This record gives sequence, C-alpha cells and structure tokens, in this order.
Amino acid sequence: DAKTTQPPSMDCAEGRAANLPCNHSTISGNEYVYWYRQIHSQGPQYIIHGLKNNETNEMASLIITEDRKSSTLILPHATLRDTAVYYCIVNPGSNYQLIWGAGTKLIIKP
Amino acid sequence: GAVVSQHPSRVICKSGTSVKIECRSLDFQATTMFWYRQFPKKSLMLMATSNEGSKATYEQGVEKDKFLINHASLTLSTLTVTSAHPEDSSFYICSAPGQVNYGYTFGSGTRLTVV
Repeated sequence: DAKTTQPPSMDCAEGRAANLPCNHSTISGNEYVYWYRQIHSQGPQYIIHGLKNNETNEMASLIITEDRKSSTLILPHATLRDTAVYYCIVNPGSNYQLIWGAGTKLIIKP
Repeated sequence: GAVVSQHPSRVICKSGTSVKIECRSLDFQATTMFWYRQFPKKSLMLMATSNEGSKATYEQGVEKDKFLINHASLTLSTLTVTSAHPEDSSFYICSAPGQVNYGYTFGSGTRLTVV
C-alpha cells in the first residue's frame, strides 16, 4: 500500500500558485519525498524530490514539514499545461520500486 | 538528462497474437527496468522488474508466461504480451532508475488495444 495520502482532486486558476498537499506520517528516516506528475496518456514525469530541506527547481518548490510527516508541492504560476495527476511518493532512492497511490488530479482553469 | 524511449506508442492487435514493447535507455545504462500497467483512471501497478542478464522478477498475480520480459543489454528491455486477449488492453509503461537519488525516468507509454 502507498504510504502517502493526497486529496483526489484540486482546481487552480491559471497564473496562480498551485499548492498540492501530501501526508506521509509513517515516512522512515531514510526515505525521500518524490513528486511525479502524469499528463493524460503519457508516462510519468519527475518533478522534484527532497529529504529534509525545502527544495526548488525550475518546475516547482517542495516544502517539507520539520517532522517530515507532510509536504506541499508548489507550482508557482500554474498554466493550463500543468493539468495532470500529481503523485507524491516516499522512497529510499533509486533502484527501489515505487509504490503509487491515487494521486491528486489537478485541473488548471483559465 | 536521462531518457527512456518506449515503442510503439500505440498498437492494436488481434486476439491470440503477440505484441512486443521495447524500452531503450538512450543516454545511460539501465541495469534495472520496471514495467507497469495502468488501467483507465487508475494508478500505476508494478508488473515486474527486469535486471540485465538475469530473469525478471514478477509481482504476485502477474503471469510470467504471458508477459515475457527480456533485458538482454544495458540499454534495452522488452515486454512481450503473448496470446493477447481483450482484457490485456491497457497502458504499459517502463521505467528505469536515474542518477543516484535523482528519481526514475519513464517511457512515454504504450497503449495496447486487443480486438
């Protein structure tokens, strides 16, 4: 079973920041928080990952709470092309199989 | 960055025939490849893990004689759906581990329709 809990769906207005929450209260000390997204009928795409510290890259920011039991993915200026299912996964790192939950379907509205 | 090329993107086949799906790592060596299937509006389900030069490891409930996986080289893994049936119609996706802790790289997926 997936070790993460996400809301099934969210809406966001185009141009606004999209904040996607994820609960992972049973995360282990050696597990990273990964975020992927899947646009309809495509393979998943890596977005960002982190262990303890907040992370930012060209796609998004990842905020991890101090107790590491939850995190938030932030898309700073959502566009229509960001409409996708977003998956939060905890995993020790490469070569371990990913366990996929249901994800959050994010719909960006014009 | 790491790229996994998956072909074909779509295939329609008749019941009883076999279909081969290829995944190639283009700019890195993939000693491991994960194969998933995904039904409409559902999440990815791991089918098997292939390792270069050895037999694949199948998840419980996945028929290894039906879903043949070959990982003959460090850049190529294949999934062959044998004696396909309409219930095998699904979206198949491959994935390889990327750089250390960087994450996983996914193929673009193959939409299989068995008629």
